[in-house]
Amino acid sequence: GQNIDQPTEMTATEGAIVQINCTYQTSGFNGLFWYQQHAGEAPTFLSYNVLDGLEEKGRFSSFLSRSKGYSYLLLKELQMKDSASYLCAVFMTTDSWGKLQFGAGTQVVVTP
Amino acid sequence: KAGVTQTPRYLIKTRGQQVTLSCSPISGHRSVSWYQQTPGQGLQFLFEYFSETQRNKGNFPGRFSGRQFSNSRSEMNVSTLELGDSALYLCASSLENSGTPNTGELFFGEGSRLTVL
Repeated sequence: GQNIDQPTEMTATEGAIVQINCTYQTSGFNGLFWYQQHAGEAPTFLSYNVLDGLEEKGRFSSFLSRSKGYSYLLLKELQMKDSASYLCAVFMTTDSWGKLQFGAGTQVVVTP
Repeated sequence: KAGVTQTPRYLIKTRGQQVTLSCSPISGHRSVSWYQQTPGQGLQFLFEYFSETQRNKGNFPGRFSGRQFSNSRSEMNVSTLELGDSALYLCASSLENSGTPNTGELFFGEGSRLTVL
């Protein structure tokens, strides 16, 4: 299986930028997802990267380097509502769409 | 459009009992996956069903089983419950439609929180 690493927790102030890194094993890699999960709620989809490069969606951007086994999620102009767990998930070539391998999640705490 | 619906939302069982959890996917979604979420292990894949067939299975013991019906609704069952089975069980559905760009996005339900005493 995969070994997906992401930091446990990050703290930043409102209006700042935070970058959450995620590393994974490249063998069999097919694509990478980022999900956001607020406490007590369901995870919700943020982004999907399959090719190298940066994907931008409003205040959130996600970057992928397939050769390095590395991705990051960039959260800009942080708002209090961005306090949540951010989950990096890998989709393997051998797996079907419904199967993702998740990292443990990064808890982002936004302070006033 | 209704989201993924899971029932029950909360339940308490004792060791040795069995439990059945239900999931209704988004209308038109044929793939249903189940995940277990615990503070220590994070989100772990249990199994996935597509068109009533189990398409993928994670590394869980045989006490964990599931099925999917012709209307894509799915159930998962855990027999002989253990304390370690206490977790949030999440169901997710996804749309697979050949010829349509597929982001692979999973739509998660709110989960069924199981406590085993």
